[in-house]
Amino acid sequence: KAGVTQTPRYLIKTRGQQVTLSCSPISGHRSVSWYQQTPGQGLQFLFEYFSETQRNKGNFPGRFSGRQFSNSRSEMNVSTLELGDSALYLCASSLAGAGDLYEQYFGPGTRLTVT
Amino acid sequence: TQLLEQSPQFLSIQEGENLTVYCNSSSVFSSLQWYRQEPGEGPVLLVTVVTGGEVKKLKRLTFQFGDARKDSSLHITAAQPGDTGLYLCAGRAAGNKLTFGGGTRVLVKP
Repeated sequence: KAGVTQTPRYLIKTRGQQVTLSCSPISGHRSVSWYQQTPGQGLQFLFEYFSETQRNKGNFPGRFSGRQFSNSRSEMNVSTLELGDSALYLCASSLAGAGDLYEQYFGPGTRLTVT
Repeated sequence: TQLLEQSPQFLSIQEGENLTVYCNSSSVFSSLQWYRQEPGEGPVLLVTVVTGGEVKKLKRLTFQFGDARKDSSLHITAAQPGDTGLYLCAGRAAGNKLTFGGGTRVLVKP
């Protein structure tokens, strides 16, 4: 069974640009969550999508947005990039949604560098 | 805002030694997970603990969830170089959002 895939793996953008990252979950998984990981702030939750609906959202500005398609693939978009957006962006998928015991499987991440 | 604090932030030990990583919060979590992340990869789930006072063992790794469900620990016995990585705890509370600790970087030297 293929794992979570994220594209691209590495990306360099300049301030003010926008970027779109893609995540393909494990086959059959309907929930996709996005996280930002930085050395200073650690791993922070961005948002979660389940069956094409945003179900949870973290404390990030509106420049960060996402969506999920009918095949459960998800994209996240960051507009008007700032230097502080440089981070590893991780996507995680899981089978179902609510409940404490579902397991999340993480992708390898997209390393975004903003110059 | 639920905060999870991990200690220590960095741990360097020799192969064969034992180590313990702590995860503490002032908030109650319905469950707590431990992950390990290696360079260039995403975190990999090691264990989920749900019941206060629960102890789970995974080979040389022992995980404990505090009685009040506010803290947890990870103990590694006879550490090996393959245990090197970033260990993350993550708590799930109301709303199902997962809150991660800052991580503990473990280096096991041969």
